[in-house]
This record gives sequence, C-alpha cells and structure tokens, in this order.
Amino acid sequence: DAGVIQSPRHEVTEMGQEVTLRCKPISGHDYLFWYRQTMMRGLELLIYFNNNVPIDDSGMPEDRFSAKMPNASFSTLKIQPSEPRDSAVYFCASSLRGGLQETQYFGPGTRLLVL
Amino acid sequence: QKEVEQNSGPLSVPEGAIASLNCTYSDRGSQSFFWYRQYSGKSPELIMSIYSNGDKEDGRFTAQLNKASQYVSLLIRDSQPSDSATYLCAPRDNFNKFYFGSGTKLNVKP
Repeated sequence: DAGVIQSPRHEVTEMGQEVTLRCKPISGHDYLFWYRQTMMRGLELLIYFNNNVPIDDSGMPEDRFSAKMPNASFSTLKIQPSEPRDSAVYFCASSLRGGLQETQYFGPGTRLLVL
Repeated sequence: QKEVEQNSGPLSVPEGAIASLNCTYSDRGSQSFFWYRQYSGKSPELIMSIYSNGDKEDGRFTAQLNKASQYVSLLIRDSQPSDSATYLCAPRDNFNKFYFGSGTKLNVKP
C-alpha cells in the first residue's frame, strides 16, 4: 500500500493568501485526521472524519480554517486568509475503526511557511 | 479536556542502557494506548500498542500499562543512537480519537 499521501510537501506563501493542503488516506480506512504540529504547541488535532463526515472540529483554530472530505479517498484543509502564526507542519493520518490495536498512520506532512 | 502528560526531557542515556519513558493520562475511558517515535523532520511512526494491564514486549521495546494508575510507560533495552528521537504517548478514546502528549526527547549517547 502507498500509505497516506499528502501534497504539497512544502508550501511558502504570503500573509493573506489562500492555502490548500491535500490528503489521500490509505485505501479502505474510514477515519481521517488532520493535525498541526509546532514546537510550542506540539501535535494538535484539528478535525477528524468518519466515513467522510466531520465528527469533531473543535480543534480548528478559527473560521479561517476549513476542511472537507468529498469522498473516501480525498480530503482538503484550507486556510483563508493565511497568517504567519499558521506556519507549522500539517499532518494527515488515517485509520480503521476496528479492534483495540488499530492505530493511525501518518502521512509525511506539509511544511507550511507563511511570510 | 482529556490530557496526556509526558516529561519533555531531554532524557539522555548511554548506548546499551535502558531508557524509560513515562506517560500519564486523564481519560479513564481510554482503552488503547500507543507509542509513536518521531525523528526530527519526519512524521510519527508507531512503535508499540497496548490495551491490557501489564507488560507487552516486542524486541527491545516493552510497553507497560496500569489503568488503575492511568499510567503507561515504554522501556527501550540496549538503547542505540538510532533510538534518539521524540517519543509520543497517545491514548485512544471510545470515539477513536487519539490524544497526544507533548513527547519526550530521547538522546542516546555513543
């Protein structure tokens, strides 16, 4: 299996611009998670989906952030307008809802720098 | 708010020694617990999972769980310089939501 795929791997943009991050989960996984990681705040869960439906978006920092999952193989995280404090590594992860040992698998991440 | 506490470190151990990483969690409903390793600039990768009280061994790694004390630990025997990384503890709740600690940075000195 190809694993979780994220694009772009690196993004540099200017404050005020729209940023769209993309994720393809592992085929057959029914949960998809978006995380943000910074040195100061560690790994934070932003939102997660089950069967393409958002379950918990309490971690989304503000209205500038939005996430969609139009089908089982694709999700986007959009920031509009972007701000320098959004600079971070954004990870997408997917998992199965199965037994106690089912874990989540992370993509390589998108490194976002907002100037 | 479900919380996960880890000592941020860095924890420094000599090569060949045992490294002990600890984690406490607040959600008594969590049934599964995961340890991830994260190298600098990389994504977290699964090391061990545990869901029963007691010890679980996998090669040089041993996970320990005590649900009554809400405590999870990871022991790394015969530590190698390649084990130098940040280790993240992550309980999973009944809604399949993972809660991550801030991680413990481990340095294994040759």
